[in-house]
Amino acid sequence: AQSVSQHNHHVILSEAASLELGCNYSYGGTVNLFWYVQYPGQHLQLLLKYFSGDPLVKGIKGFEAEFIKSKFSFNLRKPSVQWSDTAEYFCAVKPYSGAGSYQLTFGKGTKLSVIP
Amino acid sequence: NAGVTQTPKFRVLKTGQSMTLLCAQDMNHEYMYWYRQDPGMGLRLIHYSVGEGTTAKGEVPDGYNVSRLKKQNFLLGLESAAPSQTSVYFCASAQVPNQPQHFGDGTRLSIL
Repeated sequence: AQSVSQHNHHVILSEAASLELGCNYSYGGTVNLFWYVQYPGQHLQLLLKYFSGDPLVKGIKGFEAEFIKSKFSFNLRKPSVQWSDTAEYFCAVKPYSGAGSYQLTFGKGTKLSVIP
Repeated sequence: NAGVTQTPKFRVLKTGQSMTLLCAQDMNHEYMYWYRQDPGMGLRLIHYSVGEGTTAKGEVPDGYNVSRLKKQNFLLGLESAAPSQTSVYFCASAQVPNQPQHFGDGTRLSIL
C-alpha cells in the first residue's frame, strides 16, 4: 500500500517569505499526485495536481510543485506567501492503476501560519 | 450547483447511540468517499463506492457502515457510537478515480 510523508507539522513564516513544503511518497509504480489546501473551518480544495508530462506543475494562487520521480517527492512551493495563505496543506497520492487506484492516500498535513 | 453537500454539519451523540450522515452530490459522479479527519492524522479513508449499489472498505472501516442506494447519495452509518469516533467527517466525490476529488464542508461529530 502507498504512504505519504509530510516532513513539517507546522511552519511559521513572515509575509513575503518563500515557502517550500516537503512531500515524499512510497509506491513503486506510476502515481497521480495532488496538493490540497484547507483554510480554517473550510473543506479541502485542490491546489494542483500532477498526472504526467512536465514535472513542474502550476496551481492556483501562485503555488507550484515539482515531481522528482527519483526521489519520490512532490514538494510544494510559493515564492512569496501572504497572510491569506494561512491554512493546512495536504499532499495526496494515488496509484495510477491496479490495487488502491480508487483511493487517495493523504499525508498528515502541514499547518502554515503566515505572520503579517 | 451545490457540489457536495453534507448533513448535518454538527452533531453531539452519547456513547451507544446510532446515527447516519448523509452526503449528496449533484455532479453525476460515479465515485464517492467518506473520510475522517483527526488532528495530526490527516484524512483517512473509511469507505468508498465506485458506483450505485457498490461499497468497499477503506483504511479505517471498523464501526462504520455505508450504503449507496442512489448514485447521488452516499450514507455513512454509526450503529453504536464510541468516543473514538469523535472526528470531522468529510465526503468527497469524483467522476473517475484519476480526477481530483470534490469535498463537502464536513460534519463535526462529538461523542460523549
